[in-house]
Amino acid sequence: RKEVEQDPGPFNVPEGATVAFNCTYSNSASQSFFWYRQDCRKEPKLLMSVYSSGNEDGRFTAQLNRASQYISLLIRDSKLSDSATYLCVVLRGRDYKLSFGAGTTVTVRA
Amino acid sequence: EADIYQTPRYLVIGTGKKITLECSQTMGHDKMYWYQQDPGMELHLIHYSYGVNSTEKGDLSSESTVSRIRTEHFPLTLESARPSHTSQYLCASADTDYGYTFGSGTRLTVV
Repeated sequence: RKEVEQDPGPFNVPEGATVAFNCTYSNSASQSFFWYRQDCRKEPKLLMSVYSSGNEDGRFTAQLNRASQYISLLIRDSKLSDSATYLCVVLRGRDYKLSFGAGTTVTVRA
Repeated sequence: EADIYQTPRYLVIGTGKKITLECSQTMGHDKMYWYQQDPGMELHLIHYSYGVNSTEKGDLSSESTVSRIRTEHFPLTLESARPSHTSQYLCASADTDYGYTFGSGTRLTVV
């Protein structure tokens, strides 16, 4: 079983729509959680950290459910520039190594 | 403006050649990592370092080797490149407060 699993999508949504997707992680001892964004053929860039109480950053909302071991990302009022692959990332223990999901592809159309 | 630099950005090379992928960071981070990513697939950790003279193998077995003689420099070497080494190689450094920063990657093609 993979450490981090994501629905690969793609999610094709019109501009202005809300899109949400989850990922699950297998290691209950995982300490920290992140969403990264990766554009085609580019390096991953940190989108936001995910906190236990849930957190927002502008149009992006992240939630963590430790009991069920899943993380979610919601994008409101989608923009064309939100088209990307979103990587669910989990920090494994104290050695500060990250495990990556394969990504969820979002395409926002005009 | 990038604080972590990878060169070359693209490399096409023949089978059997020795190659070194360069990675340098100016942030003074102790932790540095190499990830391998095939198209449409997840990143896999192949090497990491927690400081000078510290190197460890990651989760994915790799024929490459790394060295960490200086804090800012973490090169990856393939002694004899093969077509199976064709992939994207991403270098990253980490600060425990601010997370990972990735370089722009080296896209390697072995023909």
